[in-house]
Amino acid sequence: EAQVTQNPRYLITVTGKKLTVTCSQNMNHEYMSWYRQDPGLGLRQIYYSMNVEVTDKGDVPEGYKVSRKEKRNFPLILESPSPNQTSLYFCASSPWGATGNTIYFGEGSWLTVV
Amino acid sequence: QKEVEQDPGPLSVPEGAIVSLNCTYSNSAFQYFMWYRQYSRKGPELLMYTYSSGNKEDGRFTAQVDKSSKYISLFIRDSQPSDSATYLCAIPGTALIFGKGTTLSVSS
Repeated sequence: EAQVTQNPRYLITVTGKKLTVTCSQNMNHEYMSWYRQDPGLGLRQIYYSMNVEVTDKGDVPEGYKVSRKEKRNFPLILESPSPNQTSLYFCASSPWGATGNTIYFGEGSWLTVV
Repeated sequence: QKEVEQDPGPLSVPEGAIVSLNCTYSNSAFQYFMWYRQYSRKGPELLMYTYSSGNKEDGRFTAQVDKSSKYISLFIRDSQPSDSATYLCAIPGTALIFGKGTTLSVSS
C-alpha cells in the first residue's frame, strides 16, 4: 500500500529540547516536502527536496532543518523548538515535484511546544 | 494579494443540497488546479485535478475553472454527511500553493 508515514503522530515537548519528526515514503518518489498547518493561515511549506541530497527552503523555514540522505526518508528537525512552532505538520511526497497530479500526504504530526 | 484566496466559511448545508466552493487566484500563468479534501485530524487527499479552463466531472463532484476571471470552483451535488470536511484549493509550483480551506458541514 502506498504510504507516507510520519512519526510521532502526537508530541508535547518543552522549549529548547531538540526533536525530530520522521517521514518515510514507500513509493520511490523523488519529491518530498514538509508543510505546517495553522488555523487561519492554512498549509504553508517549510522545506522541500527534489531528490537525494537536494533540499530547499519553502515559505516558512525559520527554526527548522531537514536532510535527505536517502530517497525514502525526509526528517524534519527542530533544533530548539519554541511555542510558535506548535502546529500540525504534514509530510508529502510526489513522483516528480509539486506540479504532479499525485501528491501523497502523511497523516500529520500534532506538535505542542510548551 | 495572496496567490490563492479562499473563503474559509464555515458552510453548513442540509443533506442533498448542492454545494459551491470557490477560490480566486492572482497569477494568470497558472495552468493546473487541484481540490483537496481534508477530514478532521487527517492529511489532505486529492479530490479533483483540472488543467486549464473548463469543467471536469467525477461522480457528484464537478471542478470548474474560469481563467478569464481567475476563478475556480468545486460543486458537490446531492451532498452527504460524509462530505463534511475541509476543502482546499491548490495550485502547484515548487510548492503546492493552498487556499486556507473551506470547512463544510452537511447535516442529515
